[in-house]
Amino acid sequence: EVQVVESGGGLVRPGRSLRLSCAASGFSFDEYAMHWVRQVPGKGLEWVSGISWNSASTAYADSVRGRFTISRDNTQNSVYLQMNSLRPEDTAFYYCAKDIDLWFGRKVFDFWGQGTLVTASS
Amino acid sequence: AIQLTQSPTSLSASVGDRVTITCRASESISRDLAWYQQRAGKAPMLLIYDASSLQNGVPSRFRGSGSGTGFTLTITSLQPEDFASYYCQQFNTYPLTFGGGTKVEIK
Repeated sequence: EVQVVESGGGLVRPGRSLRLSCAASGFSFDEYAMHWVRQVPGKGLEWVSGISWNSASTAYADSVRGRFTISRDNTQNSVYLQMNSLRPEDTAFYYCAKDIDLWFGRKVFDFWGQGTLVTASS
Repeated sequence: AIQLTQSPTSLSASVGDRVTITCRASESISRDLAWYQQRAGKAPMLLIYDASSLQNGVPSRFRGSGSGTGFTLTITSLQPEDFASYYCQQFNTYPLTFGGGTKVEIK
C-alpha cells in the first residue's frame, strides 16, 4: 500500500525557517518524481515545487522561488522542503504528493499525504 | 502562468443528478489536464488525467472530456460520497496550476 506521510509543520515567526519532511513507502520511491502542494485552510490548491527521481530536475512556483528548496534522499525514501524567509502568506497545509509517472514524471499527483500545517505568524 | 477558470464555483444537486463542471484554460494545454476530488478535511484524490483517462479505482460515473482550452468533468449520477470540492489542474507548462475549485453541495 502506497503511503506518504508529512511532518515538520508548526508555528514559526515570519522571516524564520522551517523544514518539512515526507516519508514514502509502498512503491519504488527512487523511480518517481515527487511534489509539494499547499492549501490555505478553506481555499484552493497551489503547487509549490517538484523534484525528479534523481534530483537532477527541480521546479518551483514563482511565489516561493529563491526562498524554498526541495530535495530528496532516495536511501531514506524521503523528500524535503526547506522553507526560508517565511511570510504570513505561506501559512497553509502542505501536502506531499507522488507523481503518477516514472523518472521525470508527468506532473500529475496520484497519491497524497494528509498534510502538515505551517503557520507563519508573530 | 496558465490560468484555469472553473465554473460554477459551487452548485447544489440531488443524489442521482447529472452534474457538469467546466474548466477553461487561458491558453491551449492540449489534453494535459487532471481532475481531483477533495472531501472535507481530507487530502485531494486523483479522478481523471490526460483530460479523459480514469484513474484506477475511480467509479465510471466520473467522465472527463475536452482539449485545448475547454474541459468538462461530468458525474453521470451523483452519489452521497460525491459531495465534495473538485479541482482541475494543468500539467502542460510550469508553473503547474489549479483551478479555483467547485464545491458540490446537497440540495
